[in-house]
Amino acid sequence: AQTVTQSQPEMSVQEAETVTLSCTYDTSENNYYLFWYKQPPSRQMILVIRQEAYKQQNATENRFSVNFQKAAKSFSLKISDSQLGDTAMYFCAFIRGSGGGADGLTFGKGTHLIIQP
Amino acid sequence: GAVVSQHPSRVICKSGTSVKIECRSLDFQATTMFWYRQFPKQSLMLMATSNEGSKATYEQGVEKDKFLINHASLTLSTLTVTSAHPEDSSFYICSATGPFWGNTIYFGEGSWLTVV
Repeated sequence: AQTVTQSQPEMSVQEAETVTLSCTYDTSENNYYLFWYKQPPSRQMILVIRQEAYKQQNATENRFSVNFQKAAKSFSLKISDSQLGDTAMYFCAFIRGSGGGADGLTFGKGTHLIIQP
Repeated sequence: GAVVSQHPSRVICKSGTSVKIECRSLDFQATTMFWYRQFPKQSLMLMATSNEGSKATYEQGVEKDKFLINHASLTLSTLTVTSAHPEDSSFYICSATGPFWGNTIYFGEGSWLTVV
């Protein structure tokens, strides 16, 4: 079984600052995918970024980037130039690659990120 | 646009009645659909996994007879909460993947259930 741990229940930063959300996971799998999802007050799950475990290069999507440390089983999300619209719950999630998508995602408990004006 | 649609977005039902929530994939064949439950200020907890044409696989601790899941077609899965009680009030959200999932998982908009 996999576990995903987010140790920061809540974070608050000023607009335009850079913030890093932490995530660690535990698995015996070698083939897997990691995700960061954003859940605004509307509750819609929005994919922020994903990382394939077999890729050494860290994924980036505009202002969002990850620091993927496979040996340490760490997958942190960095948000640069934070904006008010980034205020939301952020969930780190894991899925086995060998399952072909047939497994559900395993989520961390989430980090409530608040961007202050 | 949305590729997975959930309906209704909000529903209120009386205690003891049953309520059905639908999850539809709009432009792909969803061979596997997942149902999650989310309590306020908590994470998403996987309830069950359903594959088209077969019985759903429930996670440990989820009552199969209370949460009936049907995945009768490649575009529709339903979650029926039977004999609902106030403690069943929650946010329910589905997600879906296709046969060539490409590590892409699509989420529905979610459904708020309130049992009074």
